Amino acid sequence: SQQGEEDPQALSIQEGENATMNCSYKTSINNLQWYRQNSGRGLVHLILIRSNEREKHSGRLRVTLDTSKKSSSLLITASRAADTASYFCATDATGGGADGLTFGKGTHLIIQP
Amino acid sequence: KAGVTQTPRYLIKTRGQQVTLSCSPISGHRSVSWYQQTPGQGLQFLFEYFSETQRNKGNFPGRFSGRQFSNSRSEMNVSTLELGDSALYLCASSSAGTYNEQFFGPGTRLTVL
Repeated sequence: SQQGEEDPQALSIQEGENATMNCSYKTSINNLQWYRQNSGRGLVHLILIRSNEREKHSGRLRVTLDTSKKSSSLLITASRAADTASYFCATDATGGGADGLTFGKGTHLIIQP
Repeated sequence: KAGVTQTPRYLIKTRGQQVTLSCSPISGHRSVSWYQQTPGQGLQFLFEYFSETQRNKGNFPGRFSGRQFSNSRSEMNVSTLELGDSALYLCASSSAGTYNEQFFGPGTRLTVL
């Protein structure tokens, strides 16, 4: 089941601009993670934010979490060509259960040089 | 530390055959999770193994199975292949389990003809 839904599905910006992508989910969570995937390769973990956290930073990345709205955003500042990739949010339901991490369908980000 | 490795990287099979994919986790990681990625369904959780025991299982038919060895290496097997099994199969390892930060391998691209 797809719990997370990223928005927009695709985003194209100029190098140096900021990129914002959003994730909405359906059930209560313990934590939310963001991953990056370059063109059909393995995923790379970017950041994990726990349900009791509202904002987290890592380098040029800023993640926010609003559990009341069941949504999260990922901001990449001062984008670079190397940031071109697909970005996925992943959640775990507080009930745990059999779903493992549930990934959204991703936002495809293109950075124009 | 060496990353997660998956073999083979590419595989072509015909309908009805079976296939075995292999994953070697990061040294010290006892949790190995498997995911199927397709353009239509996105990333879907198959199962997680922890210390040689299947701990979580996604909603896939019994044709999909796996196992984990005492050195934490894992294999997944798909029997009686169907065209719809064509996908990128990703393995991820973690020190803390399938709901925490995952380290992904590069994937095995399976094509079923």
